[in-house]
Amino acid sequence: GENVEQHPSTLSVQEGDSAVIKCTYSDSASNYFPWYKQELGKRPQLIIDIRSNVGEKKDQRIAVTLNKTAKHFSLHITETQPEDSAVYFCAAQGGGYQKVTFGIGTKLQVIP
Amino acid sequence: GAGVSQSPSNKVTEKGKDVELRCDPISGHTALYWYRQSLGQGLEFLIYFQGNSAPDKSGLPSDRFSAERTGGSVSTLTIQRTQQEDSAVYLCASSGRGRHSLDYEQYFGPGTRLTVT
Repeated sequence: GENVEQHPSTLSVQEGDSAVIKCTYSDSASNYFPWYKQELGKRPQLIIDIRSNVGEKKDQRIAVTLNKTAKHFSLHITETQPEDSAVYFCAAQGGGYQKVTFGIGTKLQVIP
Repeated sequence: GAGVSQSPSNKVTEKGKDVELRCDPISGHTALYWYRQSLGQGLEFLIYFQGNSAPDKSGLPSDRFSAERTGGSVSTLTIQRTQQEDSAVYLCASSGRGRHSLDYEQYFGPGTRLTVT
């Protein structure tokens, strides 16, 4: 089955700096790569996703890049703000009926 | 529309008792997942239902755990003979609106916080 590795497990950055979280996956059939943000005491929510037919996607201060050949994808947050502090999970999924597999999560702390 | 709902929101039970946790997915969603999240930890996959297919039970930690999904909608996660290590937040998520839908996003419920004393 699919295996998703995520690193780092914790990340501290100064407010205004950029943060990068990296994930690798094992199943070359995976074609959907979402990122979820979980604030303390809340449920995970989708913040951005990318499908395998594109290499990069941006949404304001967040972007995701995908390298299918190397089977890795990354989340980039620019101009970090304290409200970006949360746990971020990457995930990978094959076709619509395949199970989603999550990474272990990255706890991001943005220091004011 | 209504999101994913779970009940109860909190459950305190004595060691050895059975508990049932309920999940109401978004109407029409064909996929339903159960996860367990211990304090400060990641999302531990438990079980996955997709339409009328046999569920993927590969994440259930022991035979004390079982789940069913009736009529392709509501799901119940049952934990028998609860142990203290079962204490965690149990999250349910649903996704997908149809065979040709590209909507893979998982919508999570608020979770049930289970405490075994």
